[in-house]
Order: sequence, then structure tokens, then C-alpha cells
Amino acid sequence: GAGVSQSPSNKVTEKGKDVELRCDPISGHTALYWYRQRLGQGLEFLIYFQGNSAPDKSGLPSDRFSAERTGESVSTLTIQRTQQEDSAVYLCASSPRQRMNTEAFFGQGTRLTVV
Amino acid sequence: KNEVEQSPQNLTAQEGEFITINCSYSVGISALHWLQQHPGGGIVSLFMLSSGKKKHGRLIATINIQEKHSSLHITASHPRDSAVYICAVRSYGGATNKLIFGTGTLLAVQP
Repeated sequence: GAGVSQSPSNKVTEKGKDVELRCDPISGHTALYWYRQRLGQGLEFLIYFQGNSAPDKSGLPSDRFSAERTGESVSTLTIQRTQQEDSAVYLCASSPRQRMNTEAFFGQGTRLTVV
Repeated sequence: KNEVEQSPQNLTAQEGEFITINCSYSVGISALHWLQQHPGGGIVSLFMLSSGKKKHGRLIATINIQEKHSSLHITASHPRDSAVYICAVRSYGGATNKLIFGTGTLLAVQP
């Protein structure tokens, strides 16, 4: 597709269950970001991948959160033992390259609700 | 204090009005983004700028690097402009150049 694709678009899960969110970046984009937006709050940085370099995980809120990306392809964000405070829209963005003035292209997000 | 501050937080306008949304930041930046988020939708990038002014249709974005301030203007506003407008800065230096976001401005344009 032409844009960043995320799946699922909506996910309702029970507290304590694990969830996996998927992001398909734009083909050829080497940089991939995960962000989170909780209700009524701004966007929070979670994790950043750039090519085959070690990811910047500085935004992950706890060790229940992890993400993977193989090369310059799909990324998955996994949340283990979900808690109600994990409810948010999880947004993925990709950029053509890791340069200072590179535009980021966002996906539609995955709305996660933990009940 | 947030590194990126937007004002106003909420804005209601009548169709046709000229709208200004402001963004101030406190960190060194390499670029500033204006983003649009519709209810339930994803995010669309409107502008990316590092100096001066850009125009796209009825939207105009300006930035003053010395004053660490940017404005987004909407001319002849329309109800379809109703959305959350988010200012985000790409901090200068570091390995990630991740975006730092403002909390957004909720704009409602009434017919």
C-alpha cells in the first residue's frame, strides 16, 4: 500500500492478557517509530528503529512492553499482562531515512482498550 | 513545564473565520511539524518546516527560530477543518531525532 498500515485498527482485551500490534511501514522507509496517545493526553514516544541499528527503547513505559522489527520491514509491538492504563491509541510512523529534517508518515493507529 | 506548548487548547470558530494556533518550544530543534488528527482517525502531516513560512491551500505555517515559536493559520475556515492540530518538534542532535509533541489544539468550526 501507499501508506503506513497498522493492524488491528481496534483491539479489546481483558486485563492480564498479552496483545500484539502490527505496523507495516512504507516500503523503503528505514526509520520506524511507535507512539502512544492516551485519552485526553498528548503523544508519547515509545521506541524507534533505524535500519539494523540497536533500537532506541527509551520511551517504553515498563518491561511489559517490547517491540521487534526485522530489517526495514514489519514491526510488532507487544504488551504483556495488559493493564487498564495501557488503554490508548498506538501510532506507528515511518520515515525515509534517519536525517534531521525528514517527514514522518503516520498510520491510522490501533485503539487498544483493556477491560 | 512541557517542552512544547500549544495555545489555545480549545478553539471554536464560525465558518469563514481566520484561525491562528500557536506553538512555543524550549528545546533546540532541527524541524517543526504541524499535524492534523481527526476524531477516531490517524494523523496527517500538514507541514514540516525549519525556517520561514510555508503555504498549502488555506493553511499557512510560520516559524521564528530565534523566538522558538510557530503559528498555524487557517484562512476561510470550514467545518471540515474541525480536528485536533498538533505541533511537534524534532529535537536537535541525539541518535533518534524523535518527535516531541504538544498536547494539541482541538478546533471546532461551526457552520
